[in-house]
Amino acid sequence: ETAVFQTPNYHVTQVGNEVSFNCKQTLGHDTMYWYKQDSKKLLKIMFSYNNKQLIVNETVPRRFSPQSSDKAHLNLRIKSVEPEDSAVYLCASSPTGWDTQYFGPGTRLLVL
Amino acid sequence: QQKVQQSPESLSVPEGGMASLNCTSSDRNFQYFWWYRQHSGEGPKALMSIFSDGDKKEGRFTAHLNKASLHVSLHIRDSQPSDSALYFCAASEHAGSFNKLTFGAGTRLAVCP
Repeated sequence: ETAVFQTPNYHVTQVGNEVSFNCKQTLGHDTMYWYKQDSKKLLKIMFSYNNKQLIVNETVPRRFSPQSSDKAHLNLRIKSVEPEDSAVYLCASSPTGWDTQYFGPGTRLLVL
Repeated sequence: QQKVQQSPESLSVPEGGMASLNCTSSDRNFQYFWWYRQHSGEGPKALMSIFSDGDKKEGRFTAHLNKASLHVSLHIRDSQPSDSALYFCAASEHAGSFNKLTFGAGTRLAVCP
């Protein structure tokens, strides 16, 4: 049963373009996350928001920027994509900052 | 070097058999562990968490934690083909009120009918 929704499922773009990914959770959670999963399936946290406030910003390139309009939505924008940005981007949420995390199905990005 | 290491990289067990997965942390700050499972084309899904030494059982799944050696294992009894997936160990230090998870590289489990 999906309660963390991500759009689009898949996106193909060219180097230098801008892309945006959307995430919505219907669980009423306070905390949301963006993860990157590379081609080797390694998972690494990128950002975390708690009640619309950024609380974790890992060392990611400045072309990545998260955006949160309310605690149920967390979007990710990538300005001027690079080939190494090809990956699956996973959104997750948790009731508080200290709880099991629930993941969405991911958005697969392919940069040509 | 990854702070959370999993073994084996891949594992094949017969249907009905026992699967055993291992995870070790090299960071003494990591005291809290989760097991997640990811089926192909889906996001990871939490199986269980374990924070105290000893065993924790949930249905067919049993986790064991040894904090002294920072070793956690997951045992799946009566394995089913639907258990075939990528299994992640994730660790965290309790830093204030925020849970920043560090994931291992995963163990790919195949359950053969």
